Amino acid sequence: DADVTQTPRNRITKTGKRIMLECSQTKGHDRMYWYRQDPGLGLRLIYYSFDVKDINKGEISDGYSVSRQAQAKFSLSLESAIPNQTALYFCATSSGVAYEQYFGPGTRLTVT
Amino acid sequence: GDSVTQMEGPVTLSEEAFLTINCTYTATGYPSLFWYVQYPGEGLQLLLKATKADDKGSNKGFEATYRKETTSFHLEKGSVQVSDSAVYFCALSDLPGSARQLTFGSGTQLTVLP
Repeated sequence: DADVTQTPRNRITKTGKRIMLECSQTKGHDRMYWYRQDPGLGLRLIYYSFDVKDINKGEISDGYSVSRQAQAKFSLSLESAIPNQTALYFCATSSGVAYEQYFGPGTRLTVT
Repeated sequence: GDSVTQMEGPVTLSEEAFLTINCTYTATGYPSLFWYVQYPGEGLQLLLKATKADDKGSNKGFEATYRKETTSFHLEKGSVQVSDSAVYFCALSDLPGSARQLTFGSGTQLTVLP
């Protein structure tokens, strides 16, 4: 089983709808991240959380919110989706002392 | 702020060709440097890393050397295979010895033809 899972894997939604992307991990890591990937722009950090009570904005947090329900779960919400939020979204985790971030398989979101 | 610049792709090579993907960075202090690889339909996975100047990271035949004087971390492989076809991302961390936050380059698509 995958260590970092994301649901849904694909989603098409309409402008103005609220949508939630979910991330779960079984690695026991305390740190979790949400990124979006756009062609030619690499990955950009949306939000990150170092533990359940610590949530921080990343580079591009406007239009997004997050919830850290438990150490293993980190959800990303789009309160009112707009077409320029069409992208590939990745969740990642890391431990406090390790160099590596572990990525989920991604959620492809299309806003029409 | 921190930034990473990668050579633009796509890059297309024949099997057994030599690969270089250029990466330069701008950062304050002494960042750690990484190469991540993304295979089709998958998330990113760490390929190699270097945490201080002159360190050489290596994995699966890929190598990259942390060059502080040229602020570079170029990825090389002597003989690529079809299975190396993927998108490669250079990245840096803003805190020495930490991967808490990563700044990514734009990615380079590599296609290896048989």
